Amino acid sequence: ETGVTQTPRHLVMGMTNKKSLKCEQHLGHNAMYWYKQSAKKPLELMFVYNFKEQTENNSVPSRFSPECPNSSHLFLHLHTLQPEDSALYLCASSQEEAGDRKETQYFGPGTRLLVL
Amino acid sequence: AQKITQTQPGMFVQEKEAVTLDCTYDTSDPSYGLFWYKQPSSGEMIFLIYQGSYDQQNATEGRYSLNFQKARKSANLVISASQLGDSAMYFCAMRPPSNTGKLIFGQGTTLQVKP
Repeated sequence: ETGVTQTPRHLVMGMTNKKSLKCEQHLGHNAMYWYKQSAKKPLELMFVYNFKEQTENNSVPSRFSPECPNSSHLFLHLHTLQPEDSALYLCASSQEEAGDRKETQYFGPGTRLLVL
Repeated sequence: AQKITQTQPGMFVQEKEAVTLDCTYDTSDPSYGLFWYKQPSSGEMIFLIYQGSYDQQNATEGRYSLNFQKARKSANLVISASQLGDSAMYFCAMRPPSNTGKLIFGQGTTLQVKP
């Protein structure tokens, strides 16, 4: 595997279900991100993990729960979601250096989530 | 407030011609980075090109070049010799000075290349 992988690629779940999205990066990076992309809206940053520590939580509802067990893996645990949570969820990673502005984020293929 | 604006929701270009996708940004910080990403219908965001606010020259990567006009706060993407595979959504993004790696994205421009 190369780059950033995400599973599953597609997910349909009911509002009472619990599911998890998985992201794995094979780039040796030290930072990982979750983004949400809804129709007709810009990408919204949800969570940032730097060296496995959560450094940003962009006012995300508690029904989304991230987990970063190590610098290569990132999970997004979902429970009691709403239909408006249906979106493309993208994971990204980057190698962050102090004070640098040019570190590029590399994205996975995304998980298309439909909440019924 | 930091913001990225892409005013062209959709663009058409004839195959083999050049096309410019507009991007303007708003920040009061002197240090920032600007990125362009391509998103095909499959969903993956593909990094295309980067421009630093202190870079003296416009960035180029193969058929992609960035027309960086700092005083106007614009960072337009130029795609030369368009190909059918260039049909996709294109996003401009800005990285402000912070240690969180946060990227701010524009609304995107859909490009369709006609044969």
